[in-house]
Formats: sequence, structure tokens, C-alpha cells
Amino acid sequence: NAGVTQTPKFQVLKTGQSMTLQCAQDMNHEYMSWYRQDPGMGLRLIHYSVGAGITDQGEVPNGYNVSRSTTEDFPLRLLSAAPSQTSVYFCASSGRDRAYGYTFGSGTRLTVV
Amino acid sequence: RKEVEQDPGPFNVPEGATVAFNCTYSNSASQSFFWYRQDCRKEPKLLMSVYSSGNEDGRFTAQLNRASQYISLLIRDSKLSDSATYLCVVKAGGYQKVTFGIGTKLQVIP
Repeated sequence: NAGVTQTPKFQVLKTGQSMTLQCAQDMNHEYMSWYRQDPGMGLRLIHYSVGAGITDQGEVPNGYNVSRSTTEDFPLRLLSAAPSQTSVYFCASSGRDRAYGYTFGSGTRLTVV
Repeated sequence: RKEVEQDPGPFNVPEGATVAFNCTYSNSASQSFFWYRQDCRKEPKLLMSVYSSGNEDGRFTAQLNRASQYISLLIRDSKLSDSATYLCVVKAGGYQKVTFGIGTKLQVIP
């Protein structure tokens, strides 16, 4: 049981480049989300999805797009990378029983130069 | 006032000590509470949910005080392997209404 798989683990981008961070879960979870984690700040929600075909914005959505064509996959797209997007990105998923909280992927460390 | 506040620490404690962390929250409509553990450069992992009556899992005890709007985590007989950052998580309703604290760093010293 792989849980939540994120790729890549590390990435360096130049300002203005675009890229997609991949996230896949094999637990049939309905809810998936993307967070970014910066020093001195808690995890902040970028976008989330409550099921295939449904996405919505979180706290810090600017500069990012998402789509949810299947239950398993929830990619995050950076449209035009900026140094302010240097961060660690985590994908998380949750099933209907919220008592179990979230399962996180191992993270993507992104540096924008 | 931040929605969820934690003392970032670090808390440096000797092996075998008992240590407690508090986390305060501002939204009185908060419904669910969790403690997560995050090791350096790793993803957060669920440590335990926090129930109204308090709950225990081995050396770990979690408490909820709704009147004062805080949750606590008590670790007894600290081990070197307990060294990590402990994140407080509060849910106020829908999936998007989840707030993470910045975490409290614990360093257990031999």
C-alpha cells in the first residue's frame, strides 16, 4: 500500500518556468489537497478537491492551478514560477472518516532561482 | 491573533523526562483536533486525534479544554526518538477549514 506518492522530490526552476507536481493516492480517498510549508509558518492550503471533477481554492492559490480528473490523481501546476514559490510542497489526502486525519506525501522541495 | 498558536520552542529535555506542549485556538466552532509529528525534512504524520474526554496512547496523552480553547500533548519518559516537531491541527468544519500550527520543536538529550 503506497499511500500518497509525490514526484519529484526535488526541483530547481528558473523564474518564469512552469512545471507540474504530481500527486497520486491509492487509498480511494475522496479528499485531496496541496499545502506549502515555509519556515516560521504553518502549513498553508493552496488548493483542495472533495472528489473527481471538483476543486476549490485554499488560502494561497495565486500562481497555482489544479485539476482532478480521477479519484487517484491531483496534480499541482505552477504557471510561471517566482522566487516566492520556493517552498516545500505537500500533497495530502483524507477519507470520509475524518477522525483519521490526513495522510501526507513525502513532499517536493522546490527552489525557484 | 493567529487561529492556532504554538510555542515554537525548542524544548530541550533529558531522556526520561516528562514534557508538555500546549496549543491554543481562536475559533470556538472548532470541531476536531489532532497532533501530528514531523521529523526533519519529512512529511507530517498523524500522532493522535484529541477527544473531548482526553485520550492516551502509550506514553502520549492528549487533552482538550474547550472552555479555554486549548489542546495539550503530554509525553512521558521521553526517548531520543521522540525528537521531532509536533504540529497542532484544528478543524472548524469543512475540509478547507483546517489550520496547522507552526509546530513545537522537541529535542531529547541523552
